[in-house]
Amino acid sequence: EIMMTQSPATLSVSPGETVTLSCRASQNLSTKLAWYQQKAGQAPRLVIYGASARATGVPARFSGSGSGTEFTLTISSLQSEDFAVYYCQQYNEWPPITFGQGTRLEIK
Amino acid sequence: EVQLVESGGGLVQPGGSLRLSCAASGFTFSNYAMSWVRQAPGKGLEWVSTISGTGGTTHFTRSVKGRFTISRDNSKNTLSLQMNSLRAEDTAVYYCAKYRSDSGNYNPEFDSWGQGTRVTVSS
Repeated sequence: EIMMTQSPATLSVSPGETVTLSCRASQNLSTKLAWYQQKAGQAPRLVIYGASARATGVPARFSGSGSGTEFTLTISSLQSEDFAVYYCQQYNEWPPITFGQGTRLEIK
Repeated sequence: EVQLVESGGGLVQPGGSLRLSCAASGFTFSNYAMSWVRQAPGKGLEWVSTISGTGGTTHFTRSVKGRFTISRDNSKNTLSLQMNSLRAEDTAVYYCAKYRSDSGNYNPEFDSWGQGTRVTVSS
C-alpha cells in the first residue's frame, strides 16, 4: 500500500499571500496524483489531477507540480474562499487508492 | 449539471446491515466508473470501493472486503453499497464519487461528489 504524507498539518497564512503545500509518496507515482479541497461540512472538490492539470472551473491561482514521490500544490494570492483542508490522493498503484492525512489552511 | 444524491445512512447496531444508494443525474452514468469514499468524524478521506461502468469489475479496501458489496443499476442511474457485519470503525460520512474521465485509462480522479450520507454504528 502506498503511504501519502502531507506537510505541514496546519498552515496559518494571510489573505493575499502565496502558499505551498507538500505531499510525499512512499513509492513512485509518476504523475498519478490528485489534490482535493474540502471546506467544513462540504464534500471534497477536485482541484488538480495528473499532478499538474487544473480541474474544470478551478482558478488559475491554483497550480500543482511534481512527479515521482514529491508533489506540491501552490495557491497564489490567497482568497478567503481558499481556506480549507487540502488532501492529496495517489492512483498510480491501486487498490487501494490512498489519501494523505490533509493540510489545514487557516487564516492568520 | 452532474448531481449525486446519497441516501440510506442511519444508526445501526454492531453486526447490522445497511444499504446506501446514490442517485446520479446529468451525465451518461453507464460510461463512468464510480466509487464510495468515507470520512470518519474529524478524520481524513478513506477510499472504500470502486465499480467499473459496466459493473463487471469491483475493488474494495481491505478492511471491508467480504463485508461490503458495491453494485450499480445503469438502467436506473443508481449506485449502491451493501454494508454487512458493520463495526464501530465503519462509522463515517459516506460519499459517492464520479470518475472524471470516461476514457479507458480508468484513473480514479473524482470530479463530482455527493453531499454524503452519515452512517453511525453503535449500540
